[in-house]
Amino acid sequence: QVQLVQSGAEVKRPGSSVKVSCKASGGTFGSYDISWVRQAPGQGLEWMGMIIPVFRTSQFAHKFQGRLTITSDESTRTAYMELSSLRSEDTAVYYCARRVATNGANWFDPWGQGTLVTVSS
Amino acid sequence: QSVLTQPPSVSEAPKQRVTISCSGSSSNIGNNAVNWYQQLPGTAPKLLIYYDDLVSSGVSDRFSGSKSGTSASLVISGLQSDDEADYYCATWDDNLNGYVFGSGTKVTVL
Repeated sequence: QVQLVQSGAEVKRPGSSVKVSCKASGGTFGSYDISWVRQAPGQGLEWMGMIIPVFRTSQFAHKFQGRLTITSDESTRTAYMELSSLRSEDTAVYYCARRVATNGANWFDPWGQGTLVTVSS
Repeated sequence: QSVLTQPPSVSEAPKQRVTISCSGSSSNIGNNAVNWYQQLPGTAPKLLIYYDDLVSSGVSDRFSGSKSGTSASLVISGLQSDDEADYYCATWDDNLNGYVFGSGTKVTVL
């Protein structure tokens, strides 16, 4: 059974960066695609991007290109999401999720518990 | 604004049935499989339905999904109080080259 455990809450100043980790247990991490999804307070879910380790590539939603870095470390079974140039609108809960892709379809299961990032001066 | 449109809220009495719609376009629902997620208050989303109509492991068979053209639907039968949650449809969008979520629907059990 795959489980994803994320790092704890963060408070950041505007203009700084945040790095959130997502550690996997169970399964074969090296074959996992990990996506990151965020949810601003009282708002819906927003896909940010994903890493596809087997192809050594990442893919990002257009609005995050240039500010978002997603990496993974197979030796520690951990994926990372780093968002730079933070602004107040980046205050949100950030989730990691394993992407399952087959026959042209893809879905996210399971999800991490979420990490609250607060951007405030 | 999401490219997938859902009603903001639906409500129904216990034991009844609710249907949540999700409307998209040819670049998303019309060409890719739809998934549904349940988000209970204060918790992470959970996969309910994948590949349009397959029920995720461990999920009650009271939940069912379907798709026709550029629209999809989630049906909850035999509504229970612990079904109160936000429900999101989601799929890949070929034009945006990314995964998109619906705006979310809050289900209230009267």
